[in-house]
Amino acid sequence: RKEVEQDPGPFNVPEGATVAFNCTYSNSASQSFFWYRQDCRKEPKLLMSVYSSGNEDGRFTAQLNRASQYISLLIRDSKLSDSATYLCVVSPHGSGNTGKLIFGQGTTLQVKP
Amino acid sequence: DTEVTQTPKHLVMGMTNKKSLKCEQHMGHRAMYWYKQKAKKPPELMFVYSYEKLSINESVPSRFSPECPNSSLLNLHLHALQPEDSALYLCASSHSPRVRLTGELFFGEGSRLTVL
Repeated sequence: RKEVEQDPGPFNVPEGATVAFNCTYSNSASQSFFWYRQDCRKEPKLLMSVYSSGNEDGRFTAQLNRASQYISLLIRDSKLSDSATYLCVVSPHGSGNTGKLIFGQGTTLQVKP
Repeated sequence: DTEVTQTPKHLVMGMTNKKSLKCEQHMGHRAMYWYKQKAKKPPELMFVYSYEKLSINESVPSRFSPECPNSSLLNLHLHALQPEDSALYLCASSHSPRVRLTGELFFGEGSRLTVL
C-alpha cells in the first residue's frame, strides 16, 4: 500500500464550481500534513498546511481526520487559474525522518470556462 | 521566480558520461534536498542535507553522488546513468531541517535530464 494515496483524476469542472479532493495516508504516526500545488511543467509550491481543527485560506479549506487517516481539500468558486495538480504531502514520524516529506501522486484539476 | 536556482535546465548525457547538476539558494536556508520526478508521478525524495551534512539517503544508487560544498550550494554528480534515470531533478531548500513544522519547501524549476 502506498504511504500517501490520492485519486489522480483528472477532475474537470466548470468555473464557479466547488470541488473536493481526498487523500489517505497509511502511517497512523504521521505527524504533519500539507497540500502543495504544481502547475504544468513547473515546480511544486506549498498551498497550505492541514490541521485537525481545519484550515481555511480564502476559497480553500483543508481538513484532517486522524481517526480515518484522511485529508481533504475543498476549493470553492473555482477559477480558471486553479487548474493544476494538487499534491497531498505527509511528514512521517521519527527523528530519523527529519526533513522528509512524502508526496502523494497528485490530483489534476482542470477548470473550464 | 523561484529563489532556488538550478543549472542546467536541460541535460542530455550518454550512459558513460559524467555530469553534474547544480543548485544554489541565498535565503539562508540550512536544509537542502534533491528530489526526482518522473512524468505524471510525485516528487520522490533522494537526499537531504542538514547543516551541510548528509542526513537522509533514500537508498539511492551510487551512480548519483550528492555534495554540499557550503550552505548555499548543492550538487548532484552523475556517472554511468541508465536511461530509466531520465527525469526531472528538483532541488529544494527549507529554513531548517524540521520541515514538518511548516511544510514549506522552496523548489527550483528543476533540471530535466535525458540519458541516452
